[in-house]
Amino acid sequence: DAKTTQPNSMESNEEEPVHLPCNHSTISGTDYIHWYRQLPSQGPEYVIHGLTSNVNNRMASLAIAEDRKSSTLILHRATLRDAAVYYCILRDAYNTDKLIFGTGTRLQVFP
Amino acid sequence: GAGVSQSPSNKVTEKGKDVELRCDPISGHTALYWYRQRLGQGLEFLIYFQGNSAPDKSGLPSDRFSAERTGESVSTLTIQRTQQEDSAVYLCASSLHSANTEAFFGQGTRLTVV
Repeated sequence: DAKTTQPNSMESNEEEPVHLPCNHSTISGTDYIHWYRQLPSQGPEYVIHGLTSNVNNRMASLAIAEDRKSSTLILHRATLRDAAVYYCILRDAYNTDKLIFGTGTRLQVFP
Repeated sequence: GAGVSQSPSNKVTEKGKDVELRCDPISGHTALYWYRQRLGQGLEFLIYFQGNSAPDKSGLPSDRFSAERTGESVSTLTIQRTQQEDSAVYLCASSLHSANTEAFFGQGTRLTVV
């Protein structure tokens, strides 16, 4: 399984943009880059995913490096509700897809 | 439509007893995953079902743990002779069999072994 590396924690102030980095230097050509988050006392929830091009949805944006060895999840205006653990995961389009979670980044948002 | 449903939401059991945890995936989702999350820790992969293929049991921590799934429907995770270290939240997720789709998680079953 290709691995991802994320910082253990990050901090932000409310209403500021947040850029959460993820390194995946061993990514293969068929790996999709997925982001999930886990709010306190809840199960994880999907945030966004992409393959090569940058992606936007109502929750966030995903910026993927040209060589695909890193990506950045962008929260345009952090709210207190965005405080969570954010997981960057690779999902292979062709091989067994166990959906393995790493340790993620714990985001703290201050008022 | 309904999401992933897990039951019970909470379970307290005595050490040494067997427990069964249930997961109802989203209809049509061929992939189903079980995870364990101890307090303050990350998600620990347990087992993965994909359609009629043999399940990937590589994450099961001991032979006291087993899981079944009938076709593409309900799954049960069974823990025999529970120990205090089994206390955790057990999470289930389901998805279509495609890396280009999202996985949906249930709210989990909080298991406390006393």
